[in-house]
Amino acid sequence: QKEVEQNSGPLSVPEGAIASLNCTYSDRVSQSFFWYRQYSGKSPELIMSIYSNGDKEDGRFTAQLNKASQYVSLLIRDSQPSDSATYLCAVGRRGNNRLAFGKGNQVVVIP
Amino acid sequence: DVKVTQSSRYLVKRTGEKVFLECVQDMDHENMFWYRQDPGLGLRLIYFSYDVKMKEKGDIPEGYSVSREKKERFSLILESASTNQTSMYLCASSQPQELNQPQHFGDGTRLSIL
Repeated sequence: QKEVEQNSGPLSVPEGAIASLNCTYSDRVSQSFFWYRQYSGKSPELIMSIYSNGDKEDGRFTAQLNKASQYVSLLIRDSQPSDSATYLCAVGRRGNNRLAFGKGNQVVVIP
Repeated sequence: DVKVTQSSRYLVKRTGEKVFLECVQDMDHENMFWYRQDPGLGLRLIYFSYDVKMKEKGDIPEGYSVSREKKERFSLILESASTNQTSMYLCASSQPQELNQPQHFGDGTRLSIL
């Protein structure tokens, strides 16, 4: 079982719709969870951090964490063409300096 | 804002050359990382360092070495470049994970080995 899985294929959403991305992780002692956005040919950029169960909102982005079910999700409301990118989920454990990254989900927002 | 600076955005080298990729961070972070990213394979950790002169192998260290002589600088060395090392190389830095801090990435170096 992979440490972090992002199983969905490319996601196409119309402009203005909600894009929903999911990420599951295998290590129950994981404590920190991050979403990165990566435009084609660019480096990953941190967009959300979440540490506690529940929702965290930042502008049009909402991260949702459920430690019991070992998943974290990202919602993008009112999707814009500029949101077209690959979104990487990353998970960290206390005392382990590494982050485990998923392979990413591509989002395409159609005008 | 955290600033992680990689010395080159694009680099072209020849097979067998010794290649140096440099990374500097300005936030006094303890941890620094080198990844490579290839289509379909995601981010793969090559080496990381949690302190000056300290290093640990990541998932794909073969063919690479690293150097960290100063806290702010972490170098990746390709001892004898090969074509299968053509890739995007990403440097990142972070505070220790017990602080639950994320990694911050540089702009990346797209390395081509001919």
